[in-house]
Amino acid sequence: EPEVTQTPSHQVTQMGQEVILRCVPISNHLYFYWYRQILGQKVEFLVSFYNNEISEKSEIFDDQFSVERPDGSNFTLKIRSTKLEDSAMYFCASSGGPGTDTQYFGPGTRLTVL
Amino acid sequence: GESVGLHLPTLSVQEGDNSIINCAYSNSASDYFIWYKQESGKGPQFIIDIRSNMDKRQGQRVTVLLNKTVKHLSLQIAATQPGDSAVYFCAENRAGGYQKVTFGTGTKLQVIP
Repeated sequence: EPEVTQTPSHQVTQMGQEVILRCVPISNHLYFYWYRQILGQKVEFLVSFYNNEISEKSEIFDDQFSVERPDGSNFTLKIRSTKLEDSAMYFCASSGGPGTDTQYFGPGTRLTVL
Repeated sequence: GESVGLHLPTLSVQEGDNSIINCAYSNSASDYFIWYKQESGKGPQFIIDIRSNMDKRQGQRVTVLLNKTVKHLSLQIAATQPGDSAVYFCAENRAGGYQKVTFGTGTKLQVIP
């Protein structure tokens, strides 16, 4: 069964450093998403991406964040200058269509900012 | 504003019994609802969804009920098994070009062997 994959599974970084989280969405999907989950809290939407541009983003997704689809298979989330409060699980998701199409989630990357 | 929340943070159920997990939402514009299961250290896993033009949908051992009058959603798991132990999130999405899924706070289901 096709699945979303993410690398690395765990990333540790120093405050102020840049990190890139990587995702490989399901191959025939067209819509891509990033969510995050701070420990013990609910999953929060960050951004959606379609046709090589951001289609929707939350207030969390400020100028420190960016997304990119550098090739036909990868989807990345970059945090330019990490802060302590960026420590969380980051989930990538993809769907075949917009809105009410089912989003399938990857296993997540645990980001720890020291 | 939009809000998806859960009534109970933890639910303990004896193995073999049926489980019912409840969820309330406040946004009348919500028209698509999803239940996700999240096991420890893993991403949310799609279980079942329902659109607002339906009031019931069944899957394998799971049933989702939607009551739009009181803005209430429930997930029923039949013959609960130890492998069902996880956190269950109800989530909401809206048609009309919106793409983000809004998650509730989650209910932890503990299955007692």
